[in-house]
Amino acid sequence: EPEVTQTPSHQVTQMGQEVILRCVPISNHLYFYWYRQILGQKVEFLVSFYNNEISEKSEIFDDQFSVERPDGSNFTLKIRSTKLEDSAMYFCASSALEAFFGQGTRLTVV
Amino acid sequence: EDKVVQSPLSLVVHEGDTVTLNCSYEVTNFRSLLWYKQEKKAPTFLFMLTSSGIEKKSGRLSSILDKKELSSILNITATQTGDSAIYLCAPNAGGTSYGKLTFGQGTILTVHP
Repeated sequence: EPEVTQTPSHQVTQMGQEVILRCVPISNHLYFYWYRQILGQKVEFLVSFYNNEISEKSEIFDDQFSVERPDGSNFTLKIRSTKLEDSAMYFCASSALEAFFGQGTRLTVV
Repeated sequence: EDKVVQSPLSLVVHEGDTVTLNCSYEVTNFRSLLWYKQEKKAPTFLFMLTSSGIEKKSGRLSSILDKKELSSILNITATQTGDSAIYLCAPNAGGTSYGKLTFGQGTILTVHP
């Protein structure tokens, strides 16, 4: 069964460092998303991406964040200068109709 | 601001019981409502509902949408310990993006043997 894959599963980084979270969406999907879930809180929408550009983004997705589809298969989320409050589980999702989620990357900023 | 409220927040039952989970929403540009099951990590897809009054069924799980009441329910019959999870309701509020989901806080279901 096709699935969304994310790497790494866990990343620890120092405050102020840049991180790149990677995702391989399901191959015939056209819409890609990043969500995050801070421990104990709701899953929150960050950004959607379609046709090689951002189609929608939330207030959380500020200038510190960027997304890219560098080739035909990968979809990345970059956080330029991480803050302690960026610590969360980051989920990538892709959709044709319903959205399917990857297993997540747990980002810990110390 | 889009709002999704799920109830109850948590539920503890015994195997074999039937449960009903509720979701009410207020979102702009409503397109559909999705239910997910979250165990350890990723939400896994259960149902997508677009039309009012039409029940979707998968094994012991079923769900229905009421667009007039802006709500949905998820039923699980003959619960099993493997049903223990957080159940998330997520309206797709559309906008320019097909899958922009606004998640509720979830219902934590615990099924005891």
